[in-house]
Parts: sequence; structure tokens; C-alpha cells
Amino acid sequence: GAVVSQHPSWVICKSGTSVKIECRSLDFQATTMFWYRQFPKQSLMLMATSNEGSKATYEQGVEKDKFLINHASLTLSTLTVTSAHPEDSSFYICSASFPPGANVLTFGAGSRLTVL
Amino acid sequence: AQSVSQHNHHVILSEAASLELGCNYSYGGTVNLFWYVQYPGQHLQLLLKYFSGDPLVKGIKGFEAEFIKSKFSFNLRKPSVQWSDTAEYFCAVHNTDKLIFGTGTRLQVFP
Repeated sequence: GAVVSQHPSWVICKSGTSVKIECRSLDFQATTMFWYRQFPKQSLMLMATSNEGSKATYEQGVEKDKFLINHASLTLSTLTVTSAHPEDSSFYICSASFPPGANVLTFGAGSRLTVL
Repeated sequence: AQSVSQHNHHVILSEAASLELGCNYSYGGTVNLFWYVQYPGQHLQLLLKYFSGDPLVKGIKGFEAEFIKSKFSFNLRKPSVQWSDTAEYFCAVHNTDKLIFGTGTRLQVFP
């Protein structure tokens, strides 16, 4: 089946630094990927829709300058948390539709970010 | 704005008990409905989905869900739970290119 791979699976960084999280679709192409954020014991909140070759679409309340999304190829989307602060500590999950265009998402294993 | 509500935040059951988790959504148009499961330490997995047709949908591991359009509901059921069903369950609605999740229900099954 389809696999979405995220890297790193966990990262610890100092406040003020930037962190990049990669999301790759393995063995299939994804023109659209979705980035979610999950706080402990809470649901997944859609942050943005990543579109290959164009700008990402951000949900209301998500700072696009803080959460930079780049979807440079059909198999890779990256989320960069810029100038991270402790309140950015969370679980970030990406997903992609498989089969492409279908309304069924395959999720990555997530990336846990801890900002000290 | 569309939303998804899961009224049961935490459910505790003994093995062999029956399970029903509620899910209601607020959208009057055509929707695709999903239940995802997140086992401890694992990523989200699709449990079952409804697009159209028979409103009673059967998924993996003996789960099923019933779409009741008039009630805007898509409740998840399992007649006899197992300890291995301990997980977080998320209802989700797909519309206008977005998948919106409910707040999740934590299920704990004790032997």
C-alpha cells in the first residue's frame, strides 16, 4: 500500500532556531499534501494544504511566515518551523491522498517537535 | 464552517462489551465520512469510509459504521471489543478538498 514517510520522527531544538520536517510519498506522486498539527490528547488540526509547484494554502489562524511550506516535487513537501518557541512544541503530521485525487488520506508517522 | 463532533471523549470497556462511538457533523451537502484509528505509538490508519451507497459500512477488525443522513451522524460500532482495540478513534469529514477531524475518542479496553 501507499506509504508516507516523515523525517525526522522527533526533534529537539532551542528556542529561536528553525526546524525543517520532510514529508515524502513513497512509490506514488502527490500533487497535494496536507500538514496537520496534533496537541497532546487533542485532535488533528489542519494547518495547510501543500500544492506542488505553487504556494501552500493556509488555514485561518496559521501564520504562513512562521510555518513555511515548500512542495518542490511530486514526492516531497517540507514544513519549516521558523524561529521556534516552546508553544510550537507539538506533533506534526503530513498526509497525502492515495490513490492520487481520491478522498482518502494516507498519513505519515508524524514528527514530534520539542522546543526548549 | 463545517465541524465534526465526537461526544464521547473517553470510553472504558471490558473485553467482549459492545461499542458505539458517536460522531455528528455539520454540513448539509455531500460529504465523505471516515473513521481513523491511532493505536498507541502508531500513526493514523483508516478504519472505514463512506462515500455513497449502503449507509452501513463495514471496515477492518470487525468495525462498522452507519451513516444516517437525517441525523448528520456516522456512529462507529463493534459488537465485541478486544483489548487490542485500545486506541484513539477519530471521525472525519471530507468536503471541499479538506479532511476535518473530530476531537477524538480514547477507548480503553480492559481484559
